[in-house]
Amino acid sequence: GDSVTQMEGPVTLSEEAFLTINCTYTATGYPSLFWYVQYPGEGLQLLLKATKADDKGSNKGFEATYRKETTSFHLEKGSVQVSDSAVYFCALTHYGQNFVFGPGTRLSVLP
Amino acid sequence: DAGVIQSPRHEVTEMGQEVTLRCKPISGHDYLFWYRQTMMRGLELLIYFNNNVPIDDSGMPEDRFSAKMPNASFSTLKIQPSEPRDSAVYFCASSLPAGGTDTQYFGPGTRLTVL
Repeated sequence: GDSVTQMEGPVTLSEEAFLTINCTYTATGYPSLFWYVQYPGEGLQLLLKATKADDKGSNKGFEATYRKETTSFHLEKGSVQVSDSAVYFCALTHYGQNFVFGPGTRLSVLP
Repeated sequence: DAGVIQSPRHEVTEMGQEVTLRCKPISGHDYLFWYRQTMMRGLELLIYFNNNVPIDDSGMPEDRFSAKMPNASFSTLKIQPSEPRDSAVYFCASSLPAGGTDTQYFGPGTRLTVL
């Protein structure tokens, strides 16, 4: 079956540092890929998505590119802020019917 | 759009009691999902519905758990009897794949504590 693997962390960075959270997947066909973010005490929110190979999703300074050849969807941000501290989930779906989530990566950004 | 609505936001109960969690999906969405989140097991899919019909309930942990969706705007997740190991945050989510968007939208969650 489909699966998502991501670095579990926790990841601790200083403000303005560069962020990379790795995500790789195993799936048949061409799933849509997502990054969700969960702030403390809240539900998951969509951060960005990509629906086909070589697409780049971007939002709030975060970016991720759908790499079919390496089955990856790594999340990057050039300069993190304290307010980016949260748990980040990589996920995939075929046609939005069933989702497969990674285990989540906790990010802490220190001032 | 009010988003996915869950109630209650917090529930504290004693072992053996019945617990009912409620969810109102985004209007027009035809898929509804129930998840459980714990520190130990992460985010687990319990069950999901399409057009009010349960499609996959393989994630429901045991017979103490049951879920219903009597209409397109309401779903419940019931635990009877509850046990301390059921303590977790339960999320409801909805989506509308047929509408051209495959994004899943989550509610704020219900934090359940079973004493």
